[in-house]
Amino acid sequence: KAGVTQTPRYLIKTRGQQVTLSCSPISGHRSVSWYQQTPGQGLQFLFEYFSETQRNKGNFPGRFSGRQFSNSRSEMNVSTLELGDSALYLCASSPPGQGMKTQYFGPGTRLLVL
Amino acid sequence: GIQVEQSPPDLILQEGANSTLRCNFSDSVNNLQWFHQNPWGQLINLFYIPSGTKQNGRLSATTVATERYSLLYISSSQTTDSGVYFCAVDGRGGADGLTFGKGTHLIIQP
Repeated sequence: KAGVTQTPRYLIKTRGQQVTLSCSPISGHRSVSWYQQTPGQGLQFLFEYFSETQRNKGNFPGRFSGRQFSNSRSEMNVSTLELGDSALYLCASSPPGQGMKTQYFGPGTRLLVL
Repeated sequence: GIQVEQSPPDLILQEGANSTLRCNFSDSVNNLQWFHQNPWGQLINLFYIPSGTKQNGRLSATTVATERYSLLYISSSQTTDSGVYFCAVDGRGGADGLTFGKGTHLIIQP
């Protein structure tokens, strides 16, 4: 089975722009979670989607949003980018019935905001 | 929210050595996982271990839920074990997703 894939792998944007990141979960997985990793704050939970519905949300401003499609692929969007949004964005998927017991992570998207 | 503390923050060992990494958490949890992040940023799930003991090759983990800590043991370290080891727990039954500790940065020297 193919693993979790994320596109693009690297991205450079300027302040004020918006960005959309994509995540394709492992086939058969319906739960997709997003995390932000920065040197200062570490790994922080952004949100989780299951069957096209946001099930849980972390403590991030409304500029961070996401969605999930019927094929379980997920996108996250960050509007009005700030320098502090520079980070590694990780996506993870979970097998059916596992909740967050076993999370399989993608390779991440490295976003640099200039 | 729930707090997760990992120790030590950094660890440098020679190849072949054994190590113990610790994770303390501030509240009862239903989910505790250990991850390894390699130098390229890839996170690999090592154990799902909310309680008890598990072993997988040279790695083993023990969680004492009543005392709110978990230990990850690495025996006969290899250079490929280098990276950052994270402990993560569920916050509010998962409503806060996984809460990660700051990690232990492990360097195995040949």
